[in-house]
Amino acid sequence: GAGVSQSPRYKVTKRGQDVALRCDPISGHVSLYWYRQALGQGPEFLTYFNYEAQQDKSGLPNDRFSAERPEGSISTLTIQRTEQRDSAMYRCASSLIPSGGAGSYEQYFGPGTRLTVT
Amino acid sequence: DQQVKQNSPSLSVQEGRISILNCDYTNSMFDYFLWYKKYPAEGPTFLISISSIKDKNEDGRFTVFLNKSAKHLSLHIVPSQPGDSAVYFCAASQGAQKLVFGQGTRLTINP
Repeated sequence: GAGVSQSPRYKVTKRGQDVALRCDPISGHVSLYWYRQALGQGPEFLTYFNYEAQQDKSGLPNDRFSAERPEGSISTLTIQRTEQRDSAMYRCASSLIPSGGAGSYEQYFGPGTRLTVT
Repeated sequence: DQQVKQNSPSLSVQEGRISILNCDYTNSMFDYFLWYKKYPAEGPTFLISISSIKDKNEDGRFTVFLNKSAKHLSLHIVPSQPGDSAVYFCAASQGAQKLVFGQGTRLTINP
């Protein structure tokens, strides 16, 4: 079946502009996660949802970052007034089991959106 | 505060031999551990996982070992194949929630 998809794959924007990054999880997956990955590093947690409810946004760097998943499927990560330090790979992942639930737990990642702020 | 560490940025192994990738963690509350493999221009791909109630999990050529007292995790690949060349990330979670990743180890399998 289809994996996690993200769009756009590449985004170049000017400093000060807003950007919206989209994630379409694997069908039926309950939990959806956003991570940010700098070059040469592992992904770093930003926020996650169970169904449509945002469970943890402790990883969002500041209030310019927000995320939503209104119908419990597709999610959008929005960055307002972008800055050069926001340039990174933004990765989305989904898992079948609700976070905190019992059973085998794996997150499946999408290809990412490479954001460049000029 | 790096809770998950992969101290070897790179590892080179001859084809057919065993590859051993290591990972250390500091948070004793972590109860689930995973290994991901990443090829260039792709997202990380889940490889194998282990719960903290176990000390070994095997899947084909891949085996993960967990030493809770040492807070140490390792991934063994045997025999190593050229297609195993990739960046490997270990990750840990508490209560099946967010994953905390190490920095990654680049594995190169030489013919």
